[in-house]
Order: sequence, then C-alpha cells, then structure tokens
Amino acid sequence: RKEVEQDPGPFNVPEGATVAFNCTYSNSASQSFFWYRQDCRKEPKLLMSVYSSGNEDGRFTAQLNRASQYISLLIRDSKLSDSATYLCVVTKSGNTGGFKTIFGAGTRLFVKA
Amino acid sequence: EPEVTQTPSHQVTQMGQEVILRCVPISNHLYFYWYRQILGQKVEFLVSFYNNEISEKSEIFDDQFSVERPDGSNFTLKIRSTKLEDSAMYFCASSERVRAVGNEKLFFGSGTQLSVL
Repeated sequence: RKEVEQDPGPFNVPEGATVAFNCTYSNSASQSFFWYRQDCRKEPKLLMSVYSSGNEDGRFTAQLNRASQYISLLIRDSKLSDSATYLCVVTKSGNTGGFKTIFGAGTRLFVKA
Repeated sequence: EPEVTQTPSHQVTQMGQEVILRCVPISNHLYFYWYRQILGQKVEFLVSFYNNEISEKSEIFDDQFSVERPDGSNFTLKIRSTKLEDSAMYFCASSERVRAVGNEKLFFGSGTQLSVL
C-alpha cells in the first residue's frame, strides 16, 4: 500500500464549481498534514496545513480524520488559476530521530471557462 | 518575502561525471532538505539535514550522494558519478521546525533540472 494515496484525476470542472480531493495515508503515527499546490514544472508551494478540527482559508477548506487516516481538500467557486496539481503531504518520524515528509502523487485539476 | 534559491536552474552532464547542486535556504531556517521529481512522477524525499548533519535519508540517497553545508548560507547536494536515471528536477527546501510538530512547513526553491546524457 502506498504511504500517501491520492486519486490522480484529472478533475475537469467549470469555473465556479466546487471540487473535493481526497487522500489517505497508511502510517497511523503520521504527525503533520498539508496540502501543497504544484504548477507544471514548478516547485511545490504550501497551500495549507490540515488539522483535525478542520481549517479554512478563503475558498479552501481542509479536513483531517485521524481515525480513518483520511485527508480532504475542498475548493469552492473554482477559478481558472486554481488549475494545478494538488499534493497531499504527510510528515512522520524517521528512523534516526528526525522526520520525513512524504508526498502523494498528486491530483490534477483543470478549471475551464 | 524570503525565499530558497537554487543554482543552476539547468545542469547537463555526461554519465559518470560529478555534479554539485547548490541551494541557499531561508536564513533563519534550521532544517534543510533535498527532494527530487522525475518527470511525470511524484516528489521524492532524498535527505534532511539539521545541525550540520544528516537527520534522515531515503533509500534513494545511496553512497553516490552527499550533502554539505560548507558555510553559513549554502547547502549542496553532490552526486559523485551520475547515472542516466539521476535525470530529474532536484528541489531544495528549508523549514523552521524546532522540535514542534506542525511547524514542518516546507519552502521550496525553484529547482535544478538535471539531465544526464
């Protein structure tokens, strides 16, 4: 089983649509959770952290369910500029006292006019 | 806004040659990382570095890879004898985590595209 699993998509949605991405992780000891956004051939950029209480940043809402090992991202009122790959990211303790950040393969979103 | 800078943006090398990829992390960050992304594939963790030593490394980070912080600002990745399969985008990142869960927000550089011929 992959450590971080995402639906690769692509999701093709019209402007203004609401779209939801899901992610599951396999290691129950994972500590921190994030959504990153990556544009084509660019570096990943932090979109938001994810907490069990849920958190919202404008049109974006993220949710974590530790019991189900499930993370979600909801985008409301999609814009053309939201077109990108959305990366689910999980941090876990490493083998030597540090930690590792594990990226999912990403979900591609295309927002069309 | 402070940013992570990487040089060069593109590097072409012959198989078997050594390459050094350079990064300047954000100045007040304490953790430094290298990741790679083969075209069309996911971002893969290579190594993390803290307090002048490797903190964690992945299975990919074998003996042909090494990292160094030669001075107070630069962080380098050396590949000793490049192989064709080393061709990828290499991203440097830094974070300000100080033994507190939840602070591991990564700030990435724009990457070095390595092409091994």
